[in-house]
Amino acid sequence: SQKIEQNSEALNIQEGKTATLTCNYTNYSPAYLQWYRQDPGRGPVFLLLIRENEKEKRKERLKVTFDTTLKQSLFHITASQPADSATYLCAASNTGNQFYFGTGTSLTVIP
Amino acid sequence: SAVISQKPSRDICQRGTSLTIQCQVDSQVTMMFWYRQQPGQSLTLIATANQGSEATYESGFVIDKFPISRPNLTFSTLTVSNMSPEDSSIYLCSVEVIWNTEAFFGQGTRLTVV
Repeated sequence: SQKIEQNSEALNIQEGKTATLTCNYTNYSPAYLQWYRQDPGRGPVFLLLIRENEKEKRKERLKVTFDTTLKQSLFHITASQPADSATYLCAASNTGNQFYFGTGTSLTVIP
Repeated sequence: SAVISQKPSRDICQRGTSLTIQCQVDSQVTMMFWYRQQPGQSLTLIATANQGSEATYESGFVIDKFPISRPNLTFSTLTVSNMSPEDSSIYLCSVEVIWNTEAFFGQGTRLTVV
């Protein structure tokens, strides 16, 4: 069955550095990959979507890549800030089908 | 975009009882979904709530345990029936305004069964 895997360990980085989160998928060929932010006690909030024919997508300090050969998406937060501390979820889907979510990566940005 | 109001935000329930969770959207949406998020686990789709017809359940979830209503395009309920401690989880309502674009989520219902 399809599997979406993210860095299982928490990621701690220094303020100002670039955070890089990984999402790998197996037994699946998604047409879309999405990234969400989830704060404690809140529902996920959409950040970025990238399609399989797009290599890279940017939005302000965020950048997402989609490598169909490696079956991987990377999510980068540049110039990280303590306010970026949260859990980040990756989700994969195909047209007309459900989303499959990863377990999320907890990011802490240390001042 | 869509704004989702989900309630209750949390509850502590006795085993064997049932809890109904409500999801209200500020606009009409076709696609509405219910997810479960267990501690340390990914979001798992329970079912798609279909307006005017029975919900479509994913493998491992059944209507008797998780009955869902969708009377119109802005409202849905999920009931967790005959609860056991294994049902302790966060339950999330979600909508997609346009299929396979961003999903909007409610704040979730944190359920604890004792």
